[in-house]
Amino acid sequence: DTAVSQTPKYLVTQMGNDKSIKCEQNLGHDTMYWYKQDSKKFLKIMFSYNNKELIINETVPNRFSPKSPDKAHLNLHINSLELGDSAVYFCASSQGVGERTGELFFGEGSRLTVL
Amino acid sequence: DAKTTQPTSMDCAEGRAANLPCNHSTISGNEYVYWYRQIHSQGPQYIIHGLKNNETNEMASLIITEDRKSSTLILPHATLRDTAVYYCIVRVGNSGYALNFGKGTSLLVTP
Repeated sequence: DTAVSQTPKYLVTQMGNDKSIKCEQNLGHDTMYWYKQDSKKFLKIMFSYNNKELIINETVPNRFSPKSPDKAHLNLHINSLELGDSAVYFCASSQGVGERTGELFFGEGSRLTVL
Repeated sequence: DAKTTQPTSMDCAEGRAANLPCNHSTISGNEYVYWYRQIHSQGPQYIIHGLKNNETNEMASLIITEDRKSSTLILPHATLRDTAVYYCIVRVGNSGYALNFGKGTSLLVTP
């Protein structure tokens, strides 16, 4: 019974295509995140949603559009894929109050390869 | 968020204690110290966090100096499965603040 699940785990696609990665958490958490880990292994925050509202939006190209239909889901849609988008994308969730917001539960990652 | 400094890599013999240091000399009074680890090809895993008191859970102990400018994560009896990259992060305890991962310490536990 996976706490934070992402689909697909692997995604290989051509430049210029549009793709989506889905994330679901069954922990009852209020806050969800998307992180990107590039080939150099740096893990960077992209977005954060609290109760379906965007609260963190780092400098990410507007080709990336997160969507949160409810607080248990945070999907990532990417338009016009570029080579530099190749990375592992991690979804995470946390409780929405105080210091516990720093206890993130991560999914297993979705490895995106753009050819 | 305050920046952190960690050694790039460390080794530890299996069964011994692994002590991972972290410097955060510019930490603010309302910032917590969080520790995570990432085992190869897996998602990061939360370990422990603290504000100023020492903390212990089933995974590790966190020792924070009295001036809060540094901390040490202790894995009391390291196993091969503890081989991972360990991240020390300081952050305000509020959902409006991102958890920013640095380069971390690559810990290798050897037989």
